[in-house]
Amino acid sequence: AQSVTQLDSHVSVSEGTPVLLRCNYSSSYSPSLFWYVQHPNKGLQLLLKYTSAATLVKGINGFEAEFKKSETSFHLTKPSAHMSDAAEYFCVVSSSNTGFQKLVFGTGTRLLVSP
Amino acid sequence: GAGVSQTPSNKVTEKGKYVELRCDPISGHTALYWYRQSLGQGPEFLIYFQGTGAADDSGLPNDRFFAVRPEGSVSTLKIQRTERGDSAVYLCASSRTHRGIGREGGREQFFGPGTRLTVL
Repeated sequence: AQSVTQLDSHVSVSEGTPVLLRCNYSSSYSPSLFWYVQHPNKGLQLLLKYTSAATLVKGINGFEAEFKKSETSFHLTKPSAHMSDAAEYFCVVSSSNTGFQKLVFGTGTRLLVSP
Repeated sequence: GAGVSQTPSNKVTEKGKYVELRCDPISGHTALYWYRQSLGQGPEFLIYFQGTGAADDSGLPNDRFFAVRPEGSVSTLKIQRTERGDSAVYLCASSRTHRGIGREGGREQFFGPGTRLTVL
């Protein structure tokens, strides 16, 4: 079975400082991993995805994540936070072994950005 | 272009009532998914359609929940005899046809804004 653990329920940063949102995964197969962002009253939006190509994945809005198999981690980073980054972030694993993309979400990390 | 739409955006009902939640996927997307997001949690998979058929309904919590997609486009999630524990945001997503495994596991799912269901 696939699962993800988001290590922090809340992360607070100041605008202009780096962002680190931590995620560990568990998967019986070669996983596909994603980060989604959810702004209040808006739909989930895909930030980036890892599907067994390059281990360093670049996404939208300056976010990136690095797949580390030895650590079973897929942490999300951004060099400099912006106020508009404040939102809920979900780490997601998918098993493509079943032939379709059944997404398993973590419990989420709320990112707070202060001026 | 038009994204995934869901109606209604909010639904308040009384315990024991029947509700229907509608999802309009992106045109041309043959795969459709329903998820449920309870307060403070991440979305949980309910059911997946490939075309008109439910390819995987393993996430439906019990037989009060049912979903259809008769023409391979719009889908309706139906909940009978609603209970207070059914209160959640119900999310719909669609994607292009998912083929194969491995590297093809990355077909992006586009999510709708959700329907917030409140059972009093």
